[in-house]
Amino acid sequence: DTEVTQTPKHLVMGMTNKKSLKCEQHMGHRAMYWYKQKAKKPPELMFVYSYEKLSINESVPSRFSPECPNSSLLNLHLHALQPEDSALYLCASSSQGYVNTEAFFGQGTRLTVV
Amino acid sequence: AQTVTQSQPEMSVQEAETVTLSCTYDTSESDYYLFWYKQPPSRQMILVIRQEAYKQQNATENRFSVNFQKAAKSFSLKISDSQLGDAAMYFCAYLYGNSGYSTLTFGKGTMLLVSP
Repeated sequence: DTEVTQTPKHLVMGMTNKKSLKCEQHMGHRAMYWYKQKAKKPPELMFVYSYEKLSINESVPSRFSPECPNSSLLNLHLHALQPEDSALYLCASSSQGYVNTEAFFGQGTRLTVV
Repeated sequence: AQTVTQSQPEMSVQEAETVTLSCTYDTSESDYYLFWYKQPPSRQMILVIRQEAYKQQNATENRFSVNFQKAAKSFSLKISDSQLGDAAMYFCAYLYGNSGYSTLTFGKGTMLLVSP
């Protein structure tokens, strides 16, 4: 199984809502990532988890709150978002260590903030 | 900091023809990986081809091949016998890793259009 599964595929939320994005992988990867991608732009790294611990936070606003409950699961909790946060949110995972560090991406969640 | 530059925002090719997408990068590291990812409208990021910097031999995957020039920090992708299904955004990416995780730096992308 070389899949990274993201749910939901589409999400529309109001600026006062609280919602969560979910990402799951069963490849035994211990590094997981959240990326944000605007239309026709490259993905931008938001967070990196390594061995279930937050290793990188790329100065992301606190209205985005990541969580890694176990080695297979990564969540992104959303609260009080702004319309400019509308984007494609991609999850990825990779094996730990420097060798064979190909990143596998999920299909993404298309988020619209209204 | 590493940077990746794709100077072609858009490229066009006819079916069955060959097209080359350009990518240059900047790094002070000697060991790293380079990738080409394809992102069709379905939005899934699909790995097309990878190159380890310590390998002199250019990577090849079926119709896809790279021209890796380490000294020039150049990493171009050649697509032979282009097919309609090759139409997508292509991102060149640089990867540097450590024992715990690795980070990808992407270029701005090249939109490839394929006409019948």
